[in-house]
Amino acid sequence: AQSVAQPEDQVNVAEGNPLTVKCTYSVSGNPYLFWYVQYPNRGLQFLLKYITGDNLVKGSYGFEAEFNKSQTSFHLKKPSALVSDSALYFCAVSVSGSGNTGKLIFGQGTTLQVKP
Amino acid sequence: KAGVTQTPRYLIKTRGQQVTLSCSPISGHRSVSWYQQTPGQGLQFLFEYFSETQRNKGNFPGRFSGRQFSNSRSEMNVSTLELGDSALYLCASRRDSGPTYEQYFGPGTRLTVT
Repeated sequence: AQSVAQPEDQVNVAEGNPLTVKCTYSVSGNPYLFWYVQYPNRGLQFLLKYITGDNLVKGSYGFEAEFNKSQTSFHLKKPSALVSDSALYFCAVSVSGSGNTGKLIFGQGTTLQVKP
Repeated sequence: KAGVTQTPRYLIKTRGQQVTLSCSPISGHRSVSWYQQTPGQGLQFLFEYFSETQRNKGNFPGRFSGRQFSNSRSEMNVSTLELGDSALYLCASRRDSGPTYEQYFGPGTRLTVT
């Protein structure tokens, strides 16, 4: 079965420090990986994706993610955290369906708390 | 470019009733997907529509259905509501339905079943 795991329910980091939100995946075939962020009472916002090519992917708001095929991981990172980064983060994998379609399978989410 | 819009934003229904939720995708996007978000089950895929055809379906009972119109707007319907259907229902659109295309989400409809 294809799945995504986010091993940490919550990550706490001080403002200005680097942050990492972890994600591992299990898929058959090529992994198409995504990160989304959700603020309270809002929908999900797309941050970045890995399709192929360079293992380091840069996205919105200074976030980046590193794809590691051997460890089946796709960790989200940011060099310097902001209080405004505090939110719920979801890792997702796009699973191919019939007719070259794709549906997203999400991890359970990680709450990022950035303290001033 | 306007984002994905969902109406209504909040809804309170009674067990046994039915409900219809609406989603307008980003202009030019032909694929619309629906997801259910609950504290216990997280984000779960309901179904996807592309060019008015259902392309993918998640593991939900037949009480959950949807459709897409020629202008790509989509509706989902839940019949015979149960307490467990209380959730945030998210609609997402993308330019095409291939697995590499990112999805853009609306703000969601918060459904409460009493």
